[in-house]
Amino acid sequence: DQQVKQNSPSLSVQEGRISILNCDYTNSMFDYFLWYKKYPAEGPTFLISISSIKDKNEDGRFTVFLNKSAKHLSLHIVPSQPGDSAVYFCAADETSGSRLTFGEGTQLTVNP
Amino acid sequence: EAQVTQNPRYLITVTGKKLTVTCSQNMNHEYMSWYRQDPGLGLRQIYYSMNVEVTDKGDVPEGYKVSRKEKRNFPLILESPSPNQTSLYFCASSPRDKHYEQYFGPGTRLTVT
Repeated sequence: DQQVKQNSPSLSVQEGRISILNCDYTNSMFDYFLWYKKYPAEGPTFLISISSIKDKNEDGRFTVFLNKSAKHLSLHIVPSQPGDSAVYFCAADETSGSRLTFGEGTQLTVNP
Repeated sequence: EAQVTQNPRYLITVTGKKLTVTCSQNMNHEYMSWYRQDPGLGLRQIYYSMNVEVTDKGDVPEGYKVSRKEKRNFPLILESPSPNQTSLYFCASSPRDKHYEQYFGPGTRLTVT
């Protein structure tokens, strides 16, 4: 039972345009959501997070939006740069929990 | 430099030959965890530890063991590896108050033939 789902295995965008990565979840007990970024031959690195009490969190070019009623979150990257090309993992943390549940990942390719 | 280290980075072994993948962190983090990454399945947690001598099963613990005798180390043990444990393994650590913001090691590519 995949509680965190990223339905798009890959996404390709042009440099300078917006990248939108999507993530859906099923567990209502999740109260904290994160995005991790992974380059080849490296471990994932934390990118940005959002608490369930908010609907938006912004950090430079990266913005995460949370729609609790739809159990959906998205990561917007504006403007996209070639160095953003990586696999992006959505993750969720359960209330009073002690571990993360990850999605399958989306490979983002930003073309120059 | 704050980091999580894993050894070995690459390992090819045969079915049934016991192996250990080491993980060490220098950030004094309470929380440590092991994940495996497989195509189409993302990152799945194997085991985690909230502190020394405290470990618990994640989503896919079968065939694995862990120990947490020291705060900095969290080895992953495969007593009798099988081909379905061929995968990319990541160790991670985080502070207790922000266990969700995890620092990952570089990964260990394991092949079991």
